[in-house]
This record gives sequence, structure tokens and C-alpha cells, in this order.
Amino acid sequence: NAGVTQTPKFQVLKTGQSMTLQCAQDMNHNSMYWYRQDPGMGLRLIYYSASEGTTDKGEVPNGYNVSRLNKREFSLRLESAAPSQTSVYFCASSEGDGGWTEAFFGQGTRLTVV
Amino acid sequence: GESVGLHLPTLSVQEGDNSIINCAYSNSASDYFIWYKQESGKGPQFIIDIRSNMDKRQGQRVTVLLNKTVKHLSLQIAATQPGDSAVYFCAENYGGATNKLIFGTGTLLAVQP
Repeated sequence: NAGVTQTPKFQVLKTGQSMTLQCAQDMNHNSMYWYRQDPGMGLRLIYYSASEGTTDKGEVPNGYNVSRLNKREFSLRLESAAPSQTSVYFCASSEGDGGWTEAFFGQGTRLTVV
Repeated sequence: GESVGLHLPTLSVQEGDNSIINCAYSNSASDYFIWYKQESGKGPQFIIDIRSNMDKRQGQRVTVLLNKTVKHLSLQIAATQPGDSAVYFCAENYGGATNKLIFGTGTLLAVQP
């Protein structure tokens, strides 16, 4: 049981390049999330998907897009990377449907934009 | 441990002492709360949760207290051990159809041997 799997684990981009961070969960969870974590700070919600077919903005959505490809997969896209997007990105999933269950996290993607 | 500036607040305790980590949450309608532990280089890991219809819940060596009147959570760790050294986050679930999960700033717990 892999839980939440993120790829890649590390990435260096040049300013203006685009890339997609991939996330997949094998727990049949309904809700999925993307967070960013800057050094010495907490996790800020970028986008989330409460259920398959829906996506909503979180606290810091500017500069990002997401796709809930199916129930298992939730991708995060940076169309034109900026140095301010240098961060560690975490994907998470939870049972959702208003259920009181915790979110499970992937190991993170460390992104550097130069 | 309240959030200030860009740096995580730090709680330093002696091994064997009890630790209390505090958190203020933002949404009075949030119906579910979770404490996470994050070790360096890893994703957050679940510690304990509490529903809004409770004011206290106990786990193994940990207790969470919820005060909805002042929108405050605390995490108590008994007999703190070096392995407890990590950053601790509270998270609130806005609940209902949104299922939006928002994290607090976090507190760094440093356990001195």
C-alpha cells in the first residue's frame, strides 16, 4: 500500500519554464489537496478537490492550475515558473465527503526556480 | 506558540517534561481538527484528531483540548522524548461539502536531553 505518491521528488526549473507535479493515491479517497511549504513556515493550501470532478482555490492559487484527472490522480501545473514558487510541494488525500478523517501526505516535491 | 513573523515559534523542553503546544484556528464553523507532526525532510504525519462536538481527546502520551469559545486548540505531550522533536501543526477542516483543510503556522518542539 503506497499511500500518496508524488513525482518528481526534486526539480530545478528556469524562470518561465512550465512543469506538472504528479500525485496519485491508492486509498480510494475522495478529497485531494496541494500545499506548498516555504522554509520555516507552515503549509499553505494552493488548490483542493473535494471530490472527483471538482476543484477549488485554496489560500495561494495564483500561478498554479490543477487537474483532477480521475479519483486517484491530482496534478499541479506551473505554467510559467517564477523564483517565488521555489518551495516544497505536498500532495495529500483524505476520505472526504464531509467525513471526519485525517489527510495523508506524500513525501513532497522540492522545487527550485532559478 | 503563536504565529509571529516568518519564523516558526519554538518550544524548548527538557526530556521527560510535559509539553503544551498551542494553536489558534480561524473558522468558527470548522468541525474537525487534526494535529500533525513533521520531521525534517518528511511530509506531515497524523498524531491525533478531535471533532467539534468534543472538548478533549486522549491518545497514547498525547491529549488534544479544544476551546471553541476562543477558537483555540492545544496539544499536550506527556513525558516528552527526544524523538518528539519536530514541527507540530494544527489543521482545521472547514467541513461540509468543501472539506477544505487549512493548516496553522506550526511550532518547533526542541527536546533537550
